[in-house]
Amino acid sequence: TQLLEQSPQFLSIQEGENLTVYCNSSSVFSSLQWYRQEPGEGPVLLVTVVTGGEVKKLKRLTFQFGDARKDSSLHITAAQPGDTGLYLCAGVHTGRRALTFGSGTRLQVQP
Amino acid sequence: DAGVIQSPRHEVTEMGQEVTLRCKPISGHNSLFWYRQTMMRGLELLIYFNNNVPIDDSGMPEDRFSAKMPNASFSTLKIQPSEPRDSAVYFCASQNVAGVGNEQFFGPGTRLTVL
Repeated sequence: TQLLEQSPQFLSIQEGENLTVYCNSSSVFSSLQWYRQEPGEGPVLLVTVVTGGEVKKLKRLTFQFGDARKDSSLHITAAQPGDTGLYLCAGVHTGRRALTFGSGTRLQVQP
Repeated sequence: DAGVIQSPRHEVTEMGQEVTLRCKPISGHNSLFWYRQTMMRGLELLIYFNNNVPIDDSGMPEDRFSAKMPNASFSTLKIQPSEPRDSAVYFCASQNVAGVGNEQFFGPGTRLTVL
């Protein structure tokens, strides 16, 4: 059972386009993280959101945590080929240290 | 500083053989995690240790899998006997509990193929 559902699973877009990736759950998380993974490497943390409704920006990437802390979104403005990779959301339940990962969104940005 | 180190990077073995995967966490980190990644099931937690003590092994598939952390700088994940369905990329990650944001640092992974 996948506790965190991501959509879309695959996304192929042209350089310069905007996109949004969604991460949804029926569970409440104390925090939620977004990772990016490139082929042959482990995931690398992009951001952690903690407060319901929180918005964080990382250059062209905007992350939002839902008010109820059950969902999150990642918006990329003017995508670049360097944004290509697997994007993973991961939730942390209160009192636990382990991450529950989403199913992943594989993004390809064509030049 | 060196990141999380895993060895081997690739392992090809035959069904029934014993496989041992190794991990050296980042120095000073006190939590260590083993994950498995497949196309079908994504990234799944197998087990994690805090201060070398196993805390949650509910993700370990079955008795064929075992993990140890004899000291703060070394952990192993063993599969005996291995089966083709164990083929996956196995990641080790470490974390400093006192750090900010609960960030886990992942190693490069071991790609295991069981024939």
